[in-house]
Amino acid sequence: DQQVKQNSPSLSVQEGRISILNCDYTNSMFDYFLWYKKYPAEGPTFLISISSIKDKNEDGRFTVFLNKSAKHLSLHIVPSQPGDSAVYFCAASAPDNFNKFYFGSGTKLNVKP
Amino acid sequence: DAGVIQSPRHEVTEMGQEVTLRCKPISGHDYLFWYRQTMMRGLELLIYFNNNVPIDDSGMPEDRFSAKMPNASFSTLKIQPSEPRDSAVYFCASSRKSTIYFGEGSWLTVV
Repeated sequence: DQQVKQNSPSLSVQEGRISILNCDYTNSMFDYFLWYKKYPAEGPTFLISISSIKDKNEDGRFTVFLNKSAKHLSLHIVPSQPGDSAVYFCAASAPDNFNKFYFGSGTKLNVKP
Repeated sequence: DAGVIQSPRHEVTEMGQEVTLRCKPISGHDYLFWYRQTMMRGLELLIYFNNNVPIDDSGMPEDRFSAKMPNASFSTLKIQPSEPRDSAVYFCASSRKSTIYFGEGSWLTVV
């Protein structure tokens, strides 16, 4: 039973537009969330994080939004660039085991030039 | 600074053979993780260590899988005997605080 779900396996966006990747979780104890980006034949690389004390965290073109009541987080990429084409994973952990991260199944983003 | 180093990068083996995957974590990191990536389940945590001690192995699929961390700079994940359904990408990762750094993965194919 997956505690972190990414229900969209793929997303296609035009260059320059906004990409919105979604993630839902079931465990209300989760309080720390990460987004990772993964290119083919490489390991996932850390992108951005958010703690449950915030509802938004921004880093350049990347913004993560957290809606605790809905148990939902999203990653916004604005503007999208072809180099953003990758698989994006969200992950979550709970304070009683903060190093145990549960990952979603990933969303493959394709940014078209 | 070197990242997490995994070997082999690619392994093709026959069903029933023993497979050993190796990992060198980032120096100074006290947590080490083994993940498996499949199409169906995404990234699954198999086991993780803290200061070389296994903390949670609840994700290890069955007794055919075992992992060790004899010292702070080396860990192995062993599958014996291997089966075709073990075919996946296996990632090792390490962390010191709350951000996990992944290796490039070991691509395992069991035929």
